[in-house]
Amino acid sequence: SAVISQKPSRDICQRGTSLTIQCQVDSQVTMMFWYRQQPGQSLTLIATANQGSEATYESGFVIDKFPISRPNLTFSTLTVSNMSPEDSSIYLCSVDPEGSYEQYFGPGTRLTVT
Amino acid sequence: AQSVTQPDIHITVSEGASLELRCNYSYGATPYLFWYVQSPGQGLQLLLKYFSGDTLVQGIKGFEAEFKRSQSSFNLRKPSVHWSDAAEYFCAVVEDSSASKIIFGSGTRLSIRP
Repeated sequence: SAVISQKPSRDICQRGTSLTIQCQVDSQVTMMFWYRQQPGQSLTLIATANQGSEATYESGFVIDKFPISRPNLTFSTLTVSNMSPEDSSIYLCSVDPEGSYEQYFGPGTRLTVT
Repeated sequence: AQSVTQPDIHITVSEGASLELRCNYSYGATPYLFWYVQSPGQGLQLLLKYFSGDTLVQGIKGFEAEFKRSQSSFNLRKPSVHWSDAAEYFCAVVEDSSASKIIFGSGTRLSIRP
């Protein structure tokens, strides 16, 4: 298993600004994932972030809008750039510590863009 | 492409009553299936998973699920619900085993009637 923390837990931001979300894991993991959960919706995968390589983005998500860093095996950041109200969502990170497809999720960051 | 469908958006059951949440998947081979729960303001917690073997799997919090290949279903059950079971429930399937990617159903919101 893995224990994941995220910062901030929530934020209210103005349109046009950027927010960086941090994800910290209590153990070293290779695979880390970032998801978006729009209000009342399911989870959508934004990208997979493996340490030492560029993040792999899903269709509909681009690096300019959602740059990701993965400097080591316990930490990652997701930046939501040039925000608009449509970016208001919960952003979650997850890890698959054993490569067994069993993902553990952080508590999420609730973002509101005004 | 693999997909998972949860036909029920919202279900209300009385406390102490039995529960069944439906999940149907689309996948050619034997899928890797999961049920997650998201309580208000919380991240996702894995309830149970099915990879192979016994088609009736036991999970945490008294939940179980049955894999039925003939019906392409993986329904979640609990014999007697508690008020604390009120949450959003997500069925998920591994979409790309090489990348540990999983996709989520649209979710079923469970309300408990006192």
